[in-house]
Amino acid sequence: EVQLVESGGGLVKPGGSLRLSCAASGFTFSSYSMNWVRQAPGKGLEWVSSISSSSSYIYYADSVKGRFTISRDNAKNSLYLQMNSLRAEDTAVYYCARAVGFWSGPIDYWGQGTLVTVSS
Amino acid sequence: SYVLTQPPSVSVAPGQTARITCGGNNIGSKSVHWYQQKPGQAPVLVVYDDSDRPSGIPERFSGSNSGNTATLTISRVEAGDEADYYCQVWDSSSDHRGVFGGGTKLTVL
Repeated sequence: EVQLVESGGGLVKPGGSLRLSCAASGFTFSSYSMNWVRQAPGKGLEWVSSISSSSSYIYYADSVKGRFTISRDNAKNSLYLQMNSLRAEDTAVYYCARAVGFWSGPIDYWGQGTLVTVSS
Repeated sequence: SYVLTQPPSVSVAPGQTARITCGGNNIGSKSVHWYQQKPGQAPVLVVYDDSDRPSGIPERFSGSNSGNTATLTISRVEAGDEADYYCQVWDSSSDHRGVFGGGTKLTVL
């Protein structure tokens, strides 16, 4: 059974940093591209970042470029999102999500999400 | 940047057919994926590559994509279909971006 379990969310002050982790199991993690997608309270889904299976290709939404860094450790079956210079508008549930192929197929599995709250 | 436009809400009576549209410039040239999200839950893939269904998704869910509009069709709507629905594409036209539509709230009357 495919499982994606996020951790690392919490309350942080504006300008602060946070590192999200996603532990993957039930599939060959190194064969899949991975993504972070967020959802602000009461709002829609927003794509944040994608990383290819071997980390050769990495893309970011304009809203986080230069502040967030996606990475993965295939030996540990883990995906990460380093978030710096956090703003109130970064407050959201952050989902770790697996995609079929890279830049073509759907997101076929989602974690349950971890809440990040940016507030003073 | 590429934009996907969905109606904010669609209402339908049980047993009827719901159609949720997703508009985008020449969206017919892209593969469109659809997700269902119920309150407090993670999204679930219901249609991928315009019209394919993942295993476990009822045949009542179908999709089409042509020109500037993709459509998710839910036949014989049930109360359990009430949810938010999002369309999504991968855009490589200018820079690489994942794009979601704004979401459509399906209400079963």
